Amino acid sequence: RKEVEQDPGPFNVPEGATVAFNCTYSNSASQSFFWYRQDCRKEPKLLMSVYSSGNEDGRFTAQLNRASQYISLLIRDSKLSDSATYLCVVNGGNYGQNFVFGPGTRLSVLP
Amino acid sequence: DAEITQSPRHKITETGRQVTLACHQTWNHNNMFWYRQDLGHGLRLIHYSYGVQDTNKGEVSDGYSVSRSNTEDLPLTLESAASSQTSVYFCASSESRQPERYGYTFGSGTRLTVV
Repeated sequence: RKEVEQDPGPFNVPEGATVAFNCTYSNSASQSFFWYRQDCRKEPKLLMSVYSSGNEDGRFTAQLNRASQYISLLIRDSKLSDSATYLCVVNGGNYGQNFVFGPGTRLSVLP
Repeated sequence: DAEITQSPRHKITETGRQVTLACHQTWNHNNMFWYRQDLGHGLRLIHYSYGVQDTNKGEVSDGYSVSRSNTEDLPLTLESAASSQTSVYFCASSESRQPERYGYTFGSGTRLTVV
């Protein structure tokens, strides 16, 4: 089983739609969780951290379920500029407390 | 402004040649990392360093080496380039005290092609 797994996508949604991505992780000792955004051929950039109580940043909401080892990202009112690949990131893999990146889910927001 | 820069942005090399990719950060971060990104695999950790003179192997370290002689730089060397090492390479750094809070900052990447 991979350490971090994500919905394979791609997700093709119209502008204004709500879309949700899921991520599962295998290391029950993981303590830090993030969503990163990666545009085509560019470096990953931090979108938001994920806290136990769940957190919201504008149109983006992240949820963490430790019991199920599951993280989600909800994007409301999708914009064309949201088109990107979304990477789920978890710490505590096989190499210290370093981050382990999921393979990513590609989102295309269509006009 | 602080930044993390990688060079070159693109490189084509021949099989068997030694290649060094540069990574330089001015964040004064202790932690530095090298990842490679390939279709179907996502980002995979090659080597990492928690400070000067500290280096550690990651998930896919075979054929790669790093050295850390100062805080700012973590060069990645491919000892004898192979076609399987054709990839996009990202360098990253993080604040050592709270990486879990601030995440990693990435360089713009180096696209390496081995022919």
